[in-house]
Amino acid sequence: GESVGLHLPTLSVQEGDNSIINCAYSNSASDYFIWYKQESGKGPQFIIDIRSNMDKRQGQRVTVLLNKTVKHLSLQIAATQPGDSAVYFCAERYSGAGSYQLTFGKGTKLSVIP
Amino acid sequence: ETGVTQTPRHLVMGMTNKKSLKCEQHLGHNAMYWYKQSAKKPLELMFVYNFKEQTENNSVPSRFSPECPNSSHLFLHLHTLQPEDSALYLCASRSTGLGANVLTFGAGSRLTVL
Repeated sequence: GESVGLHLPTLSVQEGDNSIINCAYSNSASDYFIWYKQESGKGPQFIIDIRSNMDKRQGQRVTVLLNKTVKHLSLQIAATQPGDSAVYFCAERYSGAGSYQLTFGKGTKLSVIP
Repeated sequence: ETGVTQTPRHLVMGMTNKKSLKCEQHLGHNAMYWYKQSAKKPLELMFVYNFKEQTENNSVPSRFSPECPNSSHLFLHLHTLQPEDSALYLCASRSTGLGANVLTFGAGSRLTVL
């Protein structure tokens, strides 16, 4: 069936470097994508989202890139800080038939080395 | 604090116990969700409520019984659970306004079934 997955389950980055977290999706009809961050002991928190009619969106220190040709999504974090250590989830939404349902990936654990 | 509050944060129960998880949102949202988060698996949607009406039941076993008395409160009643039901149960809410896509999650209730 359709699914969202992550290329790398773990990622270690030196503090101050840039981080790139990748996500592959398989439903070419998905029209909306979202990234969440989950710190230990907390629920997922919204980071940034992007609609399928865009290929790039920037937030504060974060950028999401969408490549619909290869069905790939990435989250870039600039100047990674220790507070960025968490599990990052991507999710896609297919809004066909009026359903809102998000499909989540398994998550990538980002560890920032001080 | 995200505006979505879940209690209890931790729960240990035997297989014959009856317990309930509670979720309350202070965001004025009209849609509420229950998700199950197990180790090494993607977030699994369980139930969706829109304006107090259940709109999705993702083939969840009947030992999980949701209740939504109003748009601000959501319960998950637990009865005769199995050890494999041990997981983090996440509540989320969402505005149903035009263009509203972001789910706001609570911190979760960590359930252990002995």
